Amino acid sequence: DTEVTQTPKHLVMGMTNKKSLKCEQHMGHRAMYWYKQKAKKPPELMFVYSYEKLSINESVPSRFSPECPNSSLLNLHLHALQPEDSALYLCASSQPIIRGYGYTFGSGTRLTVV
Amino acid sequence: EDQVTQSPEALRLQEGESSSLNCSYTVSGLRGLFWYRQDPGKGPEFLFTLYSAGEEKEKERLKATLTKKESFLHITAPKPEDSATYLCAVQAVKFGGTSYGKLTFGQGTILTVHP
Repeated sequence: DTEVTQTPKHLVMGMTNKKSLKCEQHMGHRAMYWYKQKAKKPPELMFVYSYEKLSINESVPSRFSPECPNSSLLNLHLHALQPEDSALYLCASSQPIIRGYGYTFGSGTRLTVV
Repeated sequence: EDQVTQSPEALRLQEGESSSLNCSYTVSGLRGLFWYRQDPGKGPEFLFTLYSAGEEKEKERLKATLTKKESFLHITAPKPEDSATYLCAVQAVKFGGTSYGKLTFGQGTILTVHP
């Protein structure tokens, strides 16, 4: 299994809603990431988990709350989002080795905040 | 601060017309340079990792090369199915591990190949 699976593929939520994005991989990768991508822009890093511990938080607003329940799962909890948070949310995983290693990205969740 | 600049922003080719995409980078110690392909509404698809100047990698019609300041993605005899956005990204070596796993992306080159 060489995939990163993200659910749901599409999500529409109101500004008062609470929702969660899910990401799963079974490649044995011990690093997992959340990226945000706006239209016609490159992906921007939000969070990095290494061995199920949060290692990087790129000053993301607290309305985004990541969680890594185990080495295969990564969640992103959403609460009180703003319309400008509408974007493609990408999950990725990689092996945490010394040399650079290509991430495997999921297909993303297209989030629309209304 | 790590920086990645890709050029051109958009490239239109006729089928079979070979060309190159450029990725210039500034990084405090390169751990790896990555090329990805991204189709609209999809996640980036990994193409290559390059680690050191002089390195080259090939995959079908694509060939990636690396110098100390830039990388090129050469596309030989492209086909319409090669149309996509091509992203370049760098990963830096930093002491303390605080930059572990972080990729810095360029803005991408939108490639369109006409039949």
